[in-house]
Amino acid sequence: EAQVTQNPRYLITVTGKKLTVTCSQNMNHEYMSWYRQDPGLGLRQIYYSMNVEVTDKGDVPEGYKVSRKEKRNFPLILESPSPNQTSLYFCASSLRGPQYNEQFFGPGTRLTVL
Amino acid sequence: AQSVTQLDSQVPVFEEAPVELRCNYSSSVSVYLFWYVQYPNQGLQLLLKYLSGSTLVESINGFEAEFNKSQTSFHLRKPSVHISDTAEYFCAVTDTGRRALTFGSGTRLQVQP
Repeated sequence: EAQVTQNPRYLITVTGKKLTVTCSQNMNHEYMSWYRQDPGLGLRQIYYSMNVEVTDKGDVPEGYKVSRKEKRNFPLILESPSPNQTSLYFCASSLRGPQYNEQFFGPGTRLTVL
Repeated sequence: AQSVTQLDSQVPVFEEAPVELRCNYSSSVSVYLFWYVQYPNQGLQLLLKYLSGSTLVESINGFEAEFNKSQTSFHLRKPSVHISDTAEYFCAVTDTGRRALTFGSGTRLQVQP
C-alpha cells in the first residue's frame, strides 16, 4: 500500500530534550516536506526536500533541522524543543514539487513540549 | 509573497443543503490552486486542483471549485452535502517559481442531520 508513515504518532517531552520524528514514504517520491498545524493558522511549512541531500527552509524553520540521506526518509529533528513547538506535525511527499503533483500526507504526530 | 484567506473558520449546514466555502488568494504571478480535506484524526487528502485550462474543476465526490482570476478566488461548492462531508477544508496556492504550498487557515464544515 502506498503511504507516508510517521513515528511516533504521539509524543510528550520536556523542554530541551532532543527528539526526532521519523517520516518514510514508499512511493519513490522525490519531494518531501514537513508542516506544522496550529489552530487558526492552518498548515505552515517547516522544511522541504527536492531530492536526496537537497533540503531548504520553509516558512517556519527556526528550531528545527532535517536531513535527506535516503530518498524514502525525511526525519525532523528538534535539537532543543521548547513549549512553542507544541503542535501537530505532518510529513508529506509528492512525485515532484507540490505544484505538479498531489501531496500525500502522513497521519500526523502530535507533540507536546512541557 | 503569497497568502490565502479563508474567511469562514466554521460553517454549520444541514444535511442535503448546499454549501460554499470561500477562498481568496493573493499572488503576483500565475497560480496553481488546491483544496485539501482533513477528516477527523487523519492527514490531509487532495480534493481537487486547478492547474490550467477550464476554470471549473470537480472532485469525484460532488464538490466543485471555480477559479476566478479577476476576483482572485477559488471558492468550493457542493449542491447537497452529506454527514460524511464533515471535515476541515484547506485552500492552498503555489506557483511555478515556488517549491511550497501556502495554506489557508482552514474551514471546518459541520454537517448536521
